[in-house]
Amino acid sequence: EIVLTQSPATLSLSPGERATLSCRASQSVSSSLAWYQQKPGQAPRLLIYDASNRATGIPARFSGSGSGTDFTLTISSLEPEDFAVYYCQHRSSWPPTFGPGTKVDIK
Amino acid sequence: QITLKESGPTLVKPTQTLTLTCTFSGFSLTTSGVGVGWIRQPPGKALEWLALINWDDDKRYRPSLKSRLTITKDTSRNQVVLTMTNMDPVDTATYYCAHTSSGSGWYLLYYWGQGTLVTVSS
Repeated sequence: EIVLTQSPATLSLSPGERATLSCRASQSVSSSLAWYQQKPGQAPRLLIYDASNRATGIPARFSGSGSGTDFTLTISSLEPEDFAVYYCQHRSSWPPTFGPGTKVDIK
Repeated sequence: QITLKESGPTLVKPTQTLTLTCTFSGFSLTTSGVGVGWIRQPPGKALEWLALINWDDDKRYRPSLKSRLTITKDTSRNQVVLTMTNMDPVDTATYYCAHTSSGSGWYLLYYWGQGTLVTVSS
């Protein structure tokens, strides 16, 4: 099973600031990595798939990059609705696994 | 549009068997390339894939839980059922079902149910 680690665990930022979240895989997942956003009491929402493709309806301020074992999710300018927990997930093999999450909270 | 909804008990006792039903609409599990997965999330913790069933009845289980899980589908009712035996308090979690497809990418989860919280306690 591929293990995903995320850093930092918590990111405290102000609206308008740039957020950079990292995800590292225990072995190569090629570009088969996705990012989800989850708000309290809600199911996760797919943001980015295959490392760098925005899902339908996702604003352009969200971008993803990386390949192999190291990936980054960038939120260029935080909006109030972006404060949430973000999970990465690989889909390169069964079982797909999620990282432990990065919480982006308001500074 | 695609919707999914989980149903089942909110409280189960240790050692009991949990049965959860996912009722969906907007797609068919007879369509090639479509699947329904179950994912759980303990309170305050990360997400964990449990099982997946595909249109062709191919089934996948999380290896560490394989002996306890069974996933089935009822295409006439648009339902997927997950059973988990020998429940333990560590299995307390919100259980989600979700749609996946080869068209959008296997194991990508665009559509989720609202989730159902299952507590394991005597």
